[in-house]
Amino acid sequence: DAEITQSPRHKITETGRQVTLACHQTWNHNNMFWYRQDLGHGLRLIHYSYGVQDTNKGEVSDGYSVSRSNTEDLPLTLESAASSQTSVYFCASSLDRAEQFFGPGTRLTVL
Amino acid sequence: GEDVEQSLFLSVREGDSSVINCTYTDSSSTYLYWYKQEPGAGLQLLTYIFSNMDMKQDQRLTVLLNKKDKHLSLRIADTQTGDSAIYFCAESRPTGNQFYFGTGTSLTVIP
Repeated sequence: DAEITQSPRHKITETGRQVTLACHQTWNHNNMFWYRQDLGHGLRLIHYSYGVQDTNKGEVSDGYSVSRSNTEDLPLTLESAASSQTSVYFCASSLDRAEQFFGPGTRLTVL
Repeated sequence: GEDVEQSLFLSVREGDSSVINCTYTDSSSTYLYWYKQEPGAGLQLLTYIFSNMDMKQDQRLTVLLNKKDKHLSLRIADTQTGDSAIYFCAESRPTGNQFYFGTGTSLTVIP
């Protein structure tokens, strides 16, 4: 069955370190998205991609980067982790404007 | 994003109806969605409504759309303890494939 996975599921890191969160989907979807979830803010879009080599900034992109070298993967990199980036991160994928399918999330703690 | 608003919390007794409300700002939105997030999990699509409809019913779920007031609601009949979760509304707009999510409403069902 097609699916979308994220790894790691939990990560603890220190301020200033570079961190990469993985997202992998086997739906063969064009579109992939990264969100962060914080109480009172809901889901906020960090970066998104509409296809290979395409990346776009979302609402809260500062301090984050993504790359799309193939259809299946959209890794999210925190260049220099900050405590304000402690959050739960969700990856999603979709075909055109249809339903977005979400991964199980990664809980990141920056100490 | 911040343009889509929901109440943060709702408590209901088991067997009662729950009504979760959402207001959005873009009158050109094409589809509006309701997602459910159970504890420790990603989001799953519950239902959606096209913008030219004003009501959609799916078993215990009823979605009402008031385009004039940009108001969307989700009614859950005969609410069960398994309905306890966070519910997000989301809108898609005519341009781009992004979704714009609300802040989420945490529904607690009291036995």
